[in-house]
Order: sequence, then structure tokens, then C-alpha cells
Amino acid sequence: QVQLVQSGAEVRKPGASVKVSCKASGYSFASYHMHWVRQAPGQGLEWMGIFNPNGGDTIYAQKFQGRVTMTRDTSTSTVYMDLSSLRSEDTAVYYCARGDYDDYTLLDYWGQGTLVTVSS
Amino acid sequence: EIVLTQSPGTLSLSPGERATLSCRASQSVSSNYLAWYQQKPGQAPRLLIYGAVSRATGIPDRFSGSGSGTDFTLTISRLEPEDFAVYYCQQYGRSPITFGQGTRLEIK
Repeated sequence: QVQLVQSGAEVRKPGASVKVSCKASGYSFASYHMHWVRQAPGQGLEWMGIFNPNGGDTIYAQKFQGRVTMTRDTSTSTVYMDLSSLRSEDTAVYYCARGDYDDYTLLDYWGQGTLVTVSS
Repeated sequence: EIVLTQSPGTLSLSPGERATLSCRASQSVSSNYLAWYQQKPGQAPRLLIYGAVSRATGIPDRFSGSGSGTDFTLTISRLEPEDFAVYYCQQYGRSPITFGQGTRLEIK
């Protein structure tokens, strides 16, 4: 079965960076895009960008361009999301979500989420 | 970007009742690329409906989607206790992908 397992909670100070991992299993890793979506406490869902594990292409939401980097390690079927210059407003749960095979902008399976807390 | 507005913000109903949730887009959604997700406290969202009307794998048939263009609806025909959650619509036809602000479905 499809599983996306994310890394554990992180605490960072303002100005620092954080790297969240998402390990995929149960499907062909290179055949499906991966998205990152975040959710601030008590708020809605915010799309951050999409990563193509087959080639490494990325599309980042304009809001995060210059601060976010998505990469992968094909040997472990893991996708990473690196967010830099953190500020308190970046405190959120960060989710990876797989793009559907036919419509890669449709998010069909989600990871369990990783809480990132930015606090001095 | 396409802005999605969901209504109502909160819907209070009893088990067994019918729920109707609305999602309105600021521009026409390409090819009806409109999805609905359910999110329970402490959990990740779960895909319910895609292509405005198609149920995702394993989703009970009490959930149905309708609409086209700029106006979309999620209907839950007979509420079960496990259906009380927050529901989000999402358009995935045009970048950036956007979500509505959510409708909270609570037990009356």
C-alpha cells in the first residue's frame, strides 16, 4: 500500500533553516510527483510547490520562491523540503502529498505531517 | 490565482441529516479540476472527490460532488458520526494550486 512517512517535529529559531523528509513506499517512486502543503495552527491548507522525482524539476509557489528547495534521494525513495530564513509565521504542520498518476496536480495520498515550530 | 470561497464556514447538523457544502471559484475551473478533501483533528487531509464528481477509492457513496465552472457542491446524503470534520475544496487545473478556507461540519 502507498505510504508517505515524514520526519519528526522540529524546533528552529528565527533565521534558521529546516529540512523535512518524506519517505515513499508501495509504489514506483520516480513515476509520481510530490507536493508540499503546509497548515498553520488552526488555519487552512497552503500549497508550497511540486517536485518531479524523475528529473528533479520543481515548481514553487511564488510566495516561497527563494526560500524553499525540494530535492530527492532516489536510493531511499525520499523527497526533502528545505525552508530557509524561517520566521514565526512559518510555524505550521508541513505535509508531503503524492500527485495522482494521471493528473499530477491532484493530491491522492498524504504523509502524516511534520510540525515545525519557529520560536526564539 | 484562483480564489476559492467555501460556505458556510460552519455547518451544524445531526447524524442522519443531509449536508450541503458549497465552493465558489473566482474564475472558471479548468476541466472541472475541482477536488474535495476531508480532514479530522490531528490527521492529514483525505481525498474524497476529484474531477468535481468522481469519488476517490474507498469513499462511501453517501458522498457526492456536483457543479461546474465556478460553482461546486459536496453533498453528504446521510451523515454518519465519522463524517463530522473539516472539508476543503481545491482547484488543481491552474497553477498555483489553491484551497478554499474550509467548512467545519459539527454535530448539532
